Amino acid sequence: KAGVTQTPRYLIKTRGQQVTLSCSPISGHRSVSWYQQTPGQGLQFLFEYFSETQRNKGNFPGRFSGRQFSNSRSEMNVSTLELGDSALYLCASSLSREANYGYTFGSGTRLTVV
Amino acid sequence: QQQVKQSPQSLIVQKGGISIINCAYENTAFDYFPWYQQFPGKGPALLIAIRPDVSEKKEGRFTISFNKSAKQFSLHIMDSQPGDSATYFCAASGFSGTASKLTFGTGTRLQVTL
Repeated sequence: KAGVTQTPRYLIKTRGQQVTLSCSPISGHRSVSWYQQTPGQGLQFLFEYFSETQRNKGNFPGRFSGRQFSNSRSEMNVSTLELGDSALYLCASSLSREANYGYTFGSGTRLTVV
Repeated sequence: QQQVKQSPQSLIVQKGGISIINCAYENTAFDYFPWYQQFPGKGPALLIAIRPDVSEKKEGRFTISFNKSAKQFSLHIMDSQPGDSATYFCAASGFSGTASKLTFGTGTRLQVTL
């Protein structure tokens, strides 16, 4: 059974650019969540989607957005990149509607903003 | 009220010893307390989880102890092995409105020496 797949694994972008990250959940999982991981702030919740609807959103500026497609694949977008956006972005999927009961994380996308 | 405080930040344990990591939470609405293990270059992986209706849960060498009145929970790793060297995150979640999310502790870097 394939795990959560995130692409790309590594990304280098210039300040001011925008970026799109992709996440393919485990087959059958309908809930997808995104987290930002940095050494200083740890793991911070970005947003969660279930059946194409955003159900929950963390405390991040509007430059961070996401969406989920009908096949449960999800993308997140960061516009007008800042140096502080450099982080590991993690996607997690869950079978349950109560999404936290059994998250499976992907290996993440390492974003570096220069 | 959403914080989860984790200690220690780092831990060095000899092979065969017991590793203990502690977490404390504030939000009494939390009803699910998982622990995640993360190796370098990988996403966090669910290790063990507990709900507040039990005081202890054991899975192999890993045990969660839960003290509801003190709002504290801890992870005990018995017979620690070099392969356990990783970063460990406690987390907590509870349903709010239509969705729930995981609030993570700041992580503990465990090193098990020979």
